[in-house]
Amino acid sequence: EDQVTQSPEALRLQEGESSSLNCSYTVSGLRGLFWYRQDPGKGPEFLFTLYSAGEEKEKERLKATLTKKESFLHITAPKPEDSATYLCAVRILTQGGSEKLVFGKGTKLTVNP
Amino acid sequence: GAGVSQSPRYKVAKRGQDVALRCDPISGHVSLFWYQQALGQGPEFLTYFQNEAQLDKSGLPSDRFFAERPEGSVSTLKIQRTQQEDSAVYLCASSPRARLSQETQYFGPGTRLLVL
Repeated sequence: EDQVTQSPEALRLQEGESSSLNCSYTVSGLRGLFWYRQDPGKGPEFLFTLYSAGEEKEKERLKATLTKKESFLHITAPKPEDSATYLCAVRILTQGGSEKLVFGKGTKLTVNP
Repeated sequence: GAGVSQSPRYKVAKRGQDVALRCDPISGHVSLFWYQQALGQGPEFLTYFQNEAQLDKSGLPSDRFFAERPEGSVSTLKIQRTQQEDSAVYLCASSPRARLSQETQYFGPGTRLLVL
């Protein structure tokens, strides 16, 4: 069964304290791994897509990396405005020939000033 | 430009009532998805439309859930005889093309449904 597991469930950091979030997956036929940011009361906001092991993408203080079994979201010198829930999702091919996203439960990040 | 919009943003229903949730995707987007997000969980896939065709409804939890997109733009998710376990945020997402390939999905703000 296709599965996405994120850890930790919650993470508290001090402003400027770098850390990493983990997303491990077991899927048959990965067609992309996605990172989203979700603020309370809002829909997920797209951050990155990664397609192959070794790929890396960066945006401001965020850097996403991908291996064959997991992805990391590295946060460098975070600021309070980085506080949010970070969701990882894998895109898979369904039996009907369409595609869908399978999400993890997310990591709730709190950055204290 | 305008993103994905959903209405209502909040809905309180009594158990047994029928509800209808609306999604306005980004103009011209071919693909439309519905997800259900329970409190503290990630979104879970419900159904997928390519234009007006519902190509995948494998995630709909029961036959009380019904979705349509008759003209290939606006979509409605209908839940009949609501139950307390239907309480969740219902997210709609759209994508420009039929095959996701290099595309991502753009999410709306969601409709928060509370069934009492």
